[in-house]
Amino acid sequence: GEEVAQTPKHLVRGEGQKAKLYCAPIKGHSYVFWYQQVLKNEFKFLISFQNENVFDETGMPKERFSAKCLPNSPCSLEIQATKLEDSAVYFCASSQPGQVAEKLFFGSGTQLSVL
Amino acid sequence: GNSVTQMEGPVTLSEEAFLTINCTYTATGYPSLFWYVQYPGEGLQLLLKATKADDKGSNKGFEATYRKETTSFHLEKGSVQVSDSAVYFCALTQGAQKLVFGQGTRLTINP
Repeated sequence: GEEVAQTPKHLVRGEGQKAKLYCAPIKGHSYVFWYQQVLKNEFKFLISFQNENVFDETGMPKERFSAKCLPNSPCSLEIQATKLEDSAVYFCASSQPGQVAEKLFFGSGTQLSVL
Repeated sequence: GNSVTQMEGPVTLSEEAFLTINCTYTATGYPSLFWYVQYPGEGLQLLLKATKADDKGSNKGFEATYRKETTSFHLEKGSVQVSDSAVYFCALTQGAQKLVFGQGTRLTINP
């Protein structure tokens, strides 16, 4: 497709429950990035992939957060045992090789609310 | 590490006013600089970019010049419209690396 598709649009979880978010990058894009936006601002980098390989995971919390990009499947970001502070909008972005930040396309985000 | 600092918001202006949103950065070497815009309920869209010193990025009436001597990339527009109301993010990257964002500046334009 010609846009980065994120599902679901909204996700509500009770504290301690698992949350799983999905991202389908634009066809042909081999880089995928996950960002967390809290309090309507503050984009925090979480993790990036080059195809199915982790490229940079320096922003991922060591516990509870995991992510995958498997061939022929949407990428996923999973949070085990959610906490209140995980409430945020999670954005996925993709780009072509050699144009990583020059042409980064963002999805419209998944709003995660932890109650 | 690399970082970006934007002017505090929110910024409220009347239609047709002149806009400046300040952005300064800290980086080793020569980063590429960007302005992204986020409209309500949407993801980020690239507004403009500059990849080397003295480059000027421009789009939709917005401009920003890469100033290495002052490590700045201020966003300007001569005459803003109500439709420019959004949150604006300054960002940088080096090589095939992640974008580092500023904290964002919320802009509201009143008719």
